[in-house]
Amino acid sequence: DSGVTQTPKHLITATGQRVTLRCSPRSGDLSVYWYQQSLDQGLQFLIQYYNGEERAKGNILERFSAQQFPDLHSELNLSSLELGDSALYFCASSEGPGWNQPQHFGDGTRLSIL
Amino acid sequence: DQQVKQNSPSLSVQEGRISILNCDYTNSMFDYFLWYKKYPAEGPTFLISISSIKDKNEDGRFTVFLNKSAKHLSLHIVPSQPGDSAVYFCAASATGGGADGLTFGKGTHLIIQP
Repeated sequence: DSGVTQTPKHLITATGQRVTLRCSPRSGDLSVYWYQQSLDQGLQFLIQYYNGEERAKGNILERFSAQQFPDLHSELNLSSLELGDSALYFCASSEGPGWNQPQHFGDGTRLSIL
Repeated sequence: DQQVKQNSPSLSVQEGRISILNCDYTNSMFDYFLWYKKYPAEGPTFLISISSIKDKNEDGRFTVFLNKSAKHLSLHIVPSQPGDSAVYFCAASATGGGADGLTFGKGTHLIIQP
C-alpha cells in the first residue's frame, strides 16, 4: 500500500461528458502528479502541483485541468470527453517539489468512454 | 521520440537465478533514474533509484547500475523469487524538471519460472 488513494477505481461515461478524478497523497507529501497511461503509450506525465500551486506541466490537453486543495488532495477534471481519452489515470505524490526523489503511485482510475 | 527505452518486452528467469533488466535513454539531461514494479490492477511501486553522481546503488536483492557514457542502466535482482514476477518500468528525470516530468519506458514483463 503506497498510501496514495485514488477514487473512483472505475468510471464509465459517454463522449462529450465531464468527469472528476480524485487523489489523496501520502501523509506528509506536498507534491501531487497526474499521469495518463493509454494502451499504446507508456505512462505520460500530465501535471504537477506542489503545496497548492501548479509546478510543472506536461502533455496535458486544454480540455483537462487540475487543482490541489488546502488539505493537499487533488482533482483532475476531464471535459468534452472523447473516445481517445479512455485510459488509466494515475496520481503520484512525493515529499518535495523536485524531480530527484521517488514518486509514490496510487492504484489508478480506469476511465472508459463509450 | 522515445527517450527511455526498454527493448525487451518480456524476460523469463528461473527461480533463484539472477534477473537482469535493461534500460537505455537518449536525453543527456536526465540525472535521476528509478525502477518501478507493477502488478496487474495496481499502481507502480517504487523499487530503487540512482542519481547520476553514482554508478551503483543497492537495496537488499535489488541493485541498479548506471553507465552514463553508454546512457544505459540495468536492474539486477538476486536471487529471483516467484513474487518478483511483474512488469518493471525504468523511469528518468532531469533534476530541473520541466515539461517531460518523469519519463517512463514501456516496461519489461519479468516471469520467474519455478
